[in-house]
Amino acid sequence: DGGITQSPKYLFRKEGQNVTLSCEQNLNHDAMYWYRQDPGQGLRLIYYSQIVNDFQKGDIAEGYSVSREKKESFPLTVTSAQKNPTAFYLCASTRDTNYGYTFGSGTRLTVV
Amino acid sequence: AQKVTQAQTEISVVEKEDVTLDCVYETRDTTYYLFWYKQPPSGELVFLIRRNSFDEQNEISGRYSWNFQKSTSSFNFTITASQVVDSAVYFCALSEADTGTASKLTFGTGTRLQVTL
Repeated sequence: DGGITQSPKYLFRKEGQNVTLSCEQNLNHDAMYWYRQDPGQGLRLIYYSQIVNDFQKGDIAEGYSVSREKKESFPLTVTSAQKNPTAFYLCASTRDTNYGYTFGSGTRLTVV
Repeated sequence: AQKVTQAQTEISVVEKEDVTLDCVYETRDTTYYLFWYKQPPSGELVFLIRRNSFDEQNEISGRYSWNFQKSTSSFNFTITASQVVDSAVYFCALSEADTGTASKLTFGTGTRLQVTL
């Protein structure tokens, strides 16, 4: 079955460390997105990519980086510059935004 | 700029009650799409419905129904005879105009629905 796979489901990071969240899709979608979810704040867009080797900053890109070397993969790196990284991270993809997104099951990142 | 407002942060109902989740949006586009997503405790967002700006016909799917009113910029979601399995966070979202390429969805802050026995 086609879908989006995010790994790991839970991730713990020490302060000062970079960590990479994986997002893989087999839906043949061109566009991929990373959202951050905090309690009571809904979903906030971090980065998005409409095509391989191209990506744009979203509303809260500071402290994050991405790459899009393959159509299927859109990993997100949370760098040490992100001061408050503890959150739930969701990856999504779409062939056309007007048809909505398909979401992964998310990664919960905790800084310890 | 686009904006989606879900004023109800949390709603609690007893099973079998009807419940309506409100969604109000702002956009300058004449062509746009509205969505509802369900987020169960597992975390993954599940697509429920898509509605384009030219179709104001209400839609019913089983116990779910949606009321789209352009005059009030609202896209409300009603669950009839709620069940415990309906307990989740529900998000309303708005897309930018169709440019032929993928753009972005703007999400509301979500409404947490708790259905108890």
